Amino acid sequence: GNSVTQMEGPVTLSEEAFLTINCTYTATGYPSLFWYVQYPGEGLQLLLKATKADDKGSNKGFEATYRKETTSFHLEKGSVQVSDSAVYFCALSGASGTYKYIFGTGTRLKVLA
Amino acid sequence: ETGVTQTPRHLVMGMTNKKSLKCEQHLGHNAMYWYKQSAKKPLELMFVYSLEERVENNSVPSRFSPECPNSSHLFLHLHTLQPEDSALYLCASSQGLAGGGNEQFFGPGTRLTVL
Repeated sequence: GNSVTQMEGPVTLSEEAFLTINCTYTATGYPSLFWYVQYPGEGLQLLLKATKADDKGSNKGFEATYRKETTSFHLEKGSVQVSDSAVYFCALSGASGTYKYIFGTGTRLKVLA
Repeated sequence: ETGVTQTPRHLVMGMTNKKSLKCEQHLGHNAMYWYKQSAKKPLELMFVYSLEERVENNSVPSRFSPECPNSSHLFLHLHTLQPEDSALYLCASSQGLAGGGNEQFFGPGTRLTVL
């Protein structure tokens, strides 16, 4: 079936460190891929998205590239800030046979000053 | 108001109470969703409405009853809940169901505690 797998957290980094959060997916068809972020006490917000292979989504210094050959959509940021501390969710939609959005379990990021 | 709003933000209820959660979207979308978010569990899809018709009822106990009176409003009626129903309940909306790169927009959630 369709699924999204994210690395287990929490991920703890010092400010200005490089961030990678891994995400791989299993899906039939041509899904769109998303990263959402959830800050404490809030709902999920779209961070970036990519709708086809080799597309790169980017926003607020975060980037992720849709890699069909490795079925991956890893999230990266060159220099994290304390304000980036949150839970990050990888998700897909538009897989064949389902209208559902499928989310990973989330990865908590903690950035220390 | 903009985006997706939810009320109340926090709710404490006893197991015999009846309460309702409200969601309103100001985005002109035609699909709305209820999710349950529990600690250390994946996001659970509960209900999906498209054009005000329910298209998904994901094996949710009958003590949760959704209502979608129009494309902008979604309710979740609660009665005789159990302590394990304590969670963050998130509402979301999208233009069309999943597909074509349409993202979901989420509300801030209602933190529900069942005593």
